[in-house]
Amino acid sequence: GQQLNQSPQSMFIQEGEDVSMNCTSSSIFNTWLWYKQDPGEGPVLLIALYKAGELTSNGRLTAQFGITRKDSFLNISASIPSDVGIYFCAGQLYNQGGKLIFGQGTELSVKP
Amino acid sequence: NAGVMQNPRHLVRRRGQEARLRCSPMKGHSHVYWYRQLPEEGLKFMVYLQKENIIDESGMPKERFSAEFPKEGPSILRIQQVVRGDSAAYFCASSPGPGGGEQFFGPGTRLTVL
Repeated sequence: GQQLNQSPQSMFIQEGEDVSMNCTSSSIFNTWLWYKQDPGEGPVLLIALYKAGELTSNGRLTAQFGITRKDSFLNISASIPSDVGIYFCAGQLYNQGGKLIFGQGTELSVKP
Repeated sequence: NAGVMQNPRHLVRRRGQEARLRCSPMKGHSHVYWYRQLPEEGLKFMVYLQKENIIDESGMPKERFSAEFPKEGPSILRIQQVVRGDSAAYFCASSPGPGGGEQFFGPGTRLTVL
């Protein structure tokens, strides 16, 4: 089946640093979504991307839909302790309805 | 709070029992998706439903699992004769329209099979 390769698996950074994570695939995606999941909770939608090349920001978060439609990245600037959590990319394939294919997640730890 | 609601939040079953998980979508949303998350893993798609219709069940195990979204009431994910391998977090998401677009997730039901 289709797979999303998300990297890095985990990151340990100092408060105030910038963070970057990405997802790649061999398949072409119609939509890219980025979620954050806290322990014991459901994923919370951060950013949605719908067009190749699209660059979208949400506060300190910026995400881009790759030109080839096979990848996406998420940047977090000036990290703060509450950024701690697991970040997932998710993609929707063209003509495969609404189902999301998720990456394996990036676990972010922020040291104050 | 008009978010996606799931209950119960935690469910413990013994092997061979049935598990029923409920999901109420966001107000105005008529499309529901179920996902399963094993420990330390990402979410895996199970089934996509609209009111009274199963649109895509390509991720559902062939046996023991079923889902419905009746005209009235919540969507139900039903697992018959549970086994230990069914222990996982089950998440429901909803969206306002068909096909692609944003999906909003509920808090999940954590199923433990003893």
